[in-house]
Amino acid sequence: ETGVTQTPRHLVMGMTNKKSLKCEQHLGHNAMYWYKQSAKKPLELMFVYNFKEQTENNSVPSRFSPECPNSSHLFLHLHTLQPEDSALYLCASSQDGSLFYEQYFGPGTRLTVT
Amino acid sequence: AQTVTQSQPEMSVQEAETVTLSCTYDTSESDYYLFWYKQPPSRQMILVIRQEAYKQQNATENRFSVNFQKAAKSFSLKISDSQLGDAAMYFCASSNYGGSQGNLIFGKGTKLSVKP
Repeated sequence: ETGVTQTPRHLVMGMTNKKSLKCEQHLGHNAMYWYKQSAKKPLELMFVYNFKEQTENNSVPSRFSPECPNSSHLFLHLHTLQPEDSALYLCASSQDGSLFYEQYFGPGTRLTVT
Repeated sequence: AQTVTQSQPEMSVQEAETVTLSCTYDTSESDYYLFWYKQPPSRQMILVIRQEAYKQQNATENRFSVNFQKAAKSFSLKISDSQLGDAAMYFCASSNYGGSQGNLIFGKGTKLSVKP
């Protein structure tokens, strides 16, 4: 395990539910990321936070709402999702948002929308 | 827009043998970084190796090395003396030098199997 943890590891939710994914990093990093990993598709960057400020939003639907209360925690709030949102959601962190520092990934949350 | 292409969805190698995973990319930038990430079946992705585009010398990390052909926009990963623990999905990624991590673009991945 790296210093990035994600909870829950598995989540099944109906289209009308509201749930949240949590990510925590214990590495003292200042940048955190949400990615979506679907089968047969490249990893898709969703959101980037650098020093608690959102610096990237890759045209993600509003049914996904990120929250970064501090540099160690990142949440992804989910509501009225669609079945095509079923995927593995990965959180990552790095020292800051520059390319010099590598990203450390969490184990992911496997989300199934029914 | 940047694109990263991994043309081999699956590869297989015998234990102790050498395997090469292919990656091509397309970018209009003159400076950029290239990466290979490994995602074992447990799904925690880790960085394997990184190459700065301005460096001529190919990066190496123990049994892992790259063949970086800048003109051809090719960035292959060679794994020598393959071990059972090398079995994983391997993702090639590229990004712009001086940009944010938000510009990191991944390929679709290559699933590597290692036969004992």
